[in-house]
Amino acid sequence: KNQVEQSPQSLIILEGKNCTLQCNYTVSPFSNLRWYKQDTGRGPVSLTIMTFSENTKSNGRYTATLDADTKQSSLHITASQLSDSASYICVVITVQTGANNLFFGTGTRLTVIP
Amino acid sequence: NAGVTQTPKFRILKIGQSMTLQCAQDMNHNYMYWYRQDPGMGLKLIYYSVGAGITDKGEVPNGYNVSRSTTEDFPLRLELAAPSQTSVYFCASSYWGQGRGDTQYFGPGTRLTVL
Repeated sequence: KNQVEQSPQSLIILEGKNCTLQCNYTVSPFSNLRWYKQDTGRGPVSLTIMTFSENTKSNGRYTATLDADTKQSSLHITASQLSDSASYICVVITVQTGANNLFFGTGTRLTVIP
Repeated sequence: NAGVTQTPKFRILKIGQSMTLQCAQDMNHNYMYWYRQDPGMGLKLIYYSVGAGITDKGEVPNGYNVSRSTTEDFPLRLELAAPSQTSVYFCASSYWGQGRGDTQYFGPGTRLTVL
């Protein structure tokens, strides 16, 4: 069964600290993996997209890693800011045609406190 | 560009009522999608469209209908609203399908409550 699991469910960190969010998946066959940031009351916004051959991709203070062999990804946030408070969603896409090929995790709720 | 816009932002319906959630994009995207997001759950695909005049069911289509008469607009129709349809609804669009690694752009969402 195609599944995407994220951990932790929620996380509280102090401003300026780093953190790492985890995503494990069983989706197959794999096409690409994305991380989205979703602010409260807003739609998700894409942070990174990684294909099978990519094992690291950065977007500012956000760095995503992918290990396609172990089917694990992580999102590392450096020098956190209050504006990083949001839900972070991992999405894995299969190579099937159509649009029934996106599998969403339930997200990690990050709170950055001063 | 305005990106993906959705109206209304909030709506309360009574059981059995009907309504249409509007979605529009001005990026000339081929693909458009409707998702629902329930508390503590991942987004679920309701319907999608690969171009004007072409729509197909997603994972949870029951109780909904869509149409795509233009590239820009993709309305979602709820007939006979039920409490199980209480959710936040997101419209999204992309130029190509997601298997090609294309970025998906989301609207701000519509929060629907059915009482």
